[in-house]
Amino acid sequence: NAGVTQTPKFRILKIGQSMTLQCTQDMNHNYMYWYRQDPGMGLKLIYYSVGAGITDKGEVPNGYNVSRSTTEDFPLRLELAAPSQTSVYFCASSYSKTSGRLYEQYFGPGTRLTVT
Amino acid sequence: RKEVEQDPGPFNVPEGATVAFNCTYSNSASQSFFWYRQDCRKEPKLLMSVYSSGNEDGRFTAQLNRASQYISLLIRDSKLSDSATYLCVVPANAGNNRKLIWGLGTSLAVNP
Repeated sequence: NAGVTQTPKFRILKIGQSMTLQCTQDMNHNYMYWYRQDPGMGLKLIYYSVGAGITDKGEVPNGYNVSRSTTEDFPLRLELAAPSQTSVYFCASSYSKTSGRLYEQYFGPGTRLTVT
Repeated sequence: RKEVEQDPGPFNVPEGATVAFNCTYSNSASQSFFWYRQDCRKEPKLLMSVYSSGNEDGRFTAQLNRASQYISLLIRDSKLSDSATYLCVVPANAGNNRKLIWGLGTSLAVNP
């Protein structure tokens, strides 16, 4: 199993550009999450999903959009990038009916995004 | 009280030392707790889950004190490779959204 994979690993955007951060998990997890982590700061939840077709806002959703058309994929879309979106973005997943562990989240390696 | 609070450290200890971190939480109804470790510029990785009074895994022991609303992480015989930031995590328990509340982490440096 690859676990949670994220692409790209690094990206530099100009102000006003858009991009999609990709996230895929192969653990058949129901729940998926997007976090951002600014230097020296804690994780902040952007969006999460409890299953295909269901998404909800976290603490800091402004400037982002998500979709969950399949169990495996949870892409994060940045529209009109701003310097405040410079951060490391982590995707995570949790919970399968097999494991029964609701809260144990597994993370991808992250995408380091710089907006200039 | 903050929802989850940790001493940021840094804790500097020599190899072989025993070190303990505490994490306080505000929601007295919380039933499960987690410790994650995060290496510099890497993703958080689950270290230990606590569903009852405590858990032990090799050199690592997590203990829960419900009366005082804190969980601790004890690391025995510290290794250089234990140097990392340790994150305390508690479920939000708000509806069924399965969200977690993340502490800001305690930084540990194990020195030779």
